[in-house]
Amino acid sequence: DVKVTQSSRYLVKRTGEKVFLECVQDMDHENMFWYRQDPGLGLRLIYFSYDVKMKEKGDIPEGYSVSREKKERFSLILESASTNQTSMYLCASSLDEGANQPQHFGDGTRLSIL
Amino acid sequence: AQKITQTQPGMFVQEKEAVTLDCTYDTSDQSYGLFWYKQPSSGEMIFLIYQGSYDEQNATEGRYSLNFQKARKSANLVISASQLGDSAMYFCAMREGMDSSYKLIFGSGTRLLVRP
Repeated sequence: DVKVTQSSRYLVKRTGEKVFLECVQDMDHENMFWYRQDPGLGLRLIYFSYDVKMKEKGDIPEGYSVSREKKERFSLILESASTNQTSMYLCASSLDEGANQPQHFGDGTRLSIL
Repeated sequence: AQKITQTQPGMFVQEKEAVTLDCTYDTSDQSYGLFWYKQPSSGEMIFLIYQGSYDEQNATEGRYSLNFQKARKSANLVISASQLGDSAMYFCAMREGMDSSYKLIFGSGTRLLVRP
């Protein structure tokens, strides 16, 4: 079974802090994704990566950056956290072997910015 | 315009009955894929079923089936013989085109509650 692990289930940080959310997958997937989920809005893509050191902006990249130094790890960074970044963050990964490959998700991190 | 529309914010179904969750999509691509995910209250997103735009038959996976009507651009999820454990949020998602990124666009979700 694919395992996508996010480092924290719950996280509380203060405005202005630099926040790191970590995601690790154990199935050698090429593609990795970061989403945020807000009520009534579904999942919105922040950034994704299709290879080590490669990254592309998603639909809502402002205020975020990412890092992929190793294939199995994809980090989301909030450079200077703000209260409007309070949300559920979901990491996902997928194989690069055809468009029918589903994305496999972690359990999510509920982030609160005070 | 929304790419994925789920018009039912919430639904009830009686245990053991079937339920249909609606999903309509908007794309000009000829090649695309449609996915359904389940999200229980614990938060993890669970992949349920996939339908490719060129698949001639409706996808089925156990108690889940996808009612794919290409001309109407709809991809409704049918859950047969509902169980209490089916209570969750359900998301429809679409992958457009043939690029290598395989990005998904998600709908806003439908919350399903199964009554005993």
